[in-house]
Amino acid sequence: GENVEQHPSTLSVQEGDSAVIKCTYSDSASNYFPWYKQELGKRPQLIIDIRSNVGEKKDQRIAVTLNKTAKHFSLHITETQPEDSAVYFCAATPGGFNKFYFGSGTKLNVKP
Amino acid sequence: NAGVMQNPRHLVRRRGQEARLRCSPMKGHSHVYWYRQLPEEGLKFMVYLQKENIIDESGMPKERFSAEFPKEGPSILRIQQVVRGDSAAYFCASSPLSDSGANVLTFGAGSRLTVL
Repeated sequence: GENVEQHPSTLSVQEGDSAVIKCTYSDSASNYFPWYKQELGKRPQLIIDIRSNVGEKKDQRIAVTLNKTAKHFSLHITETQPEDSAVYFCAATPGGFNKFYFGSGTKLNVKP
Repeated sequence: NAGVMQNPRHLVRRRGQEARLRCSPMKGHSHVYWYRQLPEEGLKFMVYLQKENIIDESGMPKERFSAEFPKEGPSILRIQQVVRGDSAAYFCASSPLSDSGANVLTFGAGSRLTVL
């Protein structure tokens, strides 16, 4: 099955700086890569996703890049704000009748 | 659209009792996933179901745990004879999955089980 590894496990940045979280996956059949944000005590919420037919996707301060050859994808948050503080999970799935494989999470702390 | 509805939000059980967690998927979604999350940890896959069918239960412990998604009504995750180690948040997610793979996962608010 798929194996998704996520780094770093914790990340502390100053407000206004950028944050980058990286994930690698093992199954070349994976074709959909979502990122979820989970605030303390809340549900994971989808913030951005990318499919294997594109290399980059942006949504305001958030971007995701995908390198299919190297089997890694990254989340980039620019101009971080304290409300970006949360745990971020990456995931990969081959789609179809398959489960989502989640990374172990990155706890992002944005210091004001 | 009410989103993915889970209940109860909080459940307290004594060791040896049974816990039943319910999940109603988003309207139009026919596929349900259950994940377990221990404090300060990630989302551990348990089971993936569609109506009246278990697609993948590879993450489910072999004993005491079962899941169903009947033709009518919510999906139910059942834990028999609970132990302290079962204390966790149990998240349900649903997707409008088609076999072409255009699936997006939406999570419920979770059910937090505490075993005394």
